[in-house]
Amino acid sequence: DVQLEESGGGLVQPGGSLRLSCAASGFIFSSYWMSWVRQAPGKGLEWVANIKRDGSEKYYVDSLKGRFSISRDNAKNSLYLQMNSLRAEDTAVYYCARGLTTFGVVIDLDYWGQGTLVTVSS
Amino acid sequence: QSALTQPRSVSGSPGHSVTISCTGTSSDVGGYNFVSWYQQHPGKAPKLMIYEVTKRPSGVPDRFSGSKSGNTASLTISGLQTDDEADYYCCSYAGSQTLVFGGGTKLTVL
Repeated sequence: DVQLEESGGGLVQPGGSLRLSCAASGFIFSSYWMSWVRQAPGKGLEWVANIKRDGSEKYYVDSLKGRFSISRDNAKNSLYLQMNSLRAEDTAVYYCARGLTTFGVVIDLDYWGQGTLVTVSS
Repeated sequence: QSALTQPRSVSGSPGHSVTISCTGTSSDVGGYNFVSWYQQHPGKAPKLMIYEVTKRPSGVPDRFSGSKSGNTASLTISGLQTDDEADYYCCSYAGSQTLVFGGGTKLTVL
């Protein structure tokens, strides 16, 4: 079975940094694009970033460019999200998800982890 | 990268049908046949219900169907069941390797 398990969330002060991890199992991790999606408390889903199978291409929502960085380690079947200069509005549950692609672009997210909560507060 | 527009809530009775709309622009919904729909129960992860506008993943009942006309996509749920009560989100490819979600619709099964 495909499994995605996020970790690394917690309470962080404004301006701080946090690194989220996502451990993947049950599929050939290196064969799939991966994504991060977040959901602020009581709010909707927001796509954050995508990363290509080999990590050579990375794409971000415009509002987060420069502060967040997606990466992966295919040898460890792991996906990461480095979050810097955190703000209160970054408070959210962060989900990792497996991307389905067509014509080389991610168009759907077919498996999701249970999410990890990041709280930015002093 | 503006969020797609969905009604905040819809409701229907068991056995009946409901349709949830998702309106975007020619840069996302109208520009590509890459609209998907996700179901999210409280406290749970989203689940893919429809992809590429009309396709259902394995295991999703055929009571769920998708369509698109112009810049608006729609999810129709027929034969409503109490377990269908959840939040539903549309999502579209928006060019340049980006995705955009709708604001979400809360479905209440009365």
